[in-house]
Amino acid sequence: NFVLTQPHSVSESPGKTVAISCTRYSGSIASNNVQWYQQRPGSAPTTIIYEHNQRPSGVPDRFSGSIDISSNSASLTISGLVTEDEADYYCQSYDYTHLVFGGGTKLTVL
Amino acid sequence: EVQLVESGGGLVKSGGSLRLSCAASGFIFSSYSFNWVRQAPGKGLEWVASIDSRSTYIYYADSVKGRFTISKDNAKNSLYLEMNSLRVEDTAVYYCTRDIYQGRLVFLPDYWGQGTLVTVSS
Repeated sequence: NFVLTQPHSVSESPGKTVAISCTRYSGSIASNNVQWYQQRPGSAPTTIIYEHNQRPSGVPDRFSGSIDISSNSASLTISGLVTEDEADYYCQSYDYTHLVFGGGTKLTVL
Repeated sequence: EVQLVESGGGLVKSGGSLRLSCAASGFIFSSYSFNWVRQAPGKGLEWVASIDSRSTYIYYADSVKGRFTISKDNAKNSLYLEMNSLRVEDTAVYYCTRDIYQGRLVFLPDYWGQGTLVTVSS
């Protein structure tokens, strides 16, 4: 199995842009799709990015996903931060027989 | 509207058993694969088990293999997780998730239920 590593926490001011990284250890980040989930306090996760960079309907275009083969990582970028973006964010990918989550990143908008 | 509603959680003693259910609606249940994902209190998300649309391919996390059984009943539009030999460390909210594509299992959840809490006491 492989591991996905995220920063434990990030913080930024309203209106700014923040990027959350997700680094894959063992295997290529490009070999399997990466998804991102948002989990607000007390709520279930929701999917905000699928197939590396696609947004489900209803997710604002302030959210974008990308991968960087050189660093073997995926990134979730949130622009125009608002207080409602304060949440935990998880990246996720898979191999042939396992689904793997990153450890999660707590975003504080202050 | 896609809906996934979990039930069956509760308090159980270590070594006991519990069966979780997930009632699905708003889509063709038999065409989709599913996953169970859990979250211990204050912790991150952990994959538990996955099953493809025809129940042909089933996979488990090492932490639950041999103790948990995932199954789906297409006639009842329901997903299940049978949990035996429960341990204190199985305490978590358990989420039912639908896989993103019809047919094959790709381990990519798109819709999530609200979760059901399982508490295992010593």
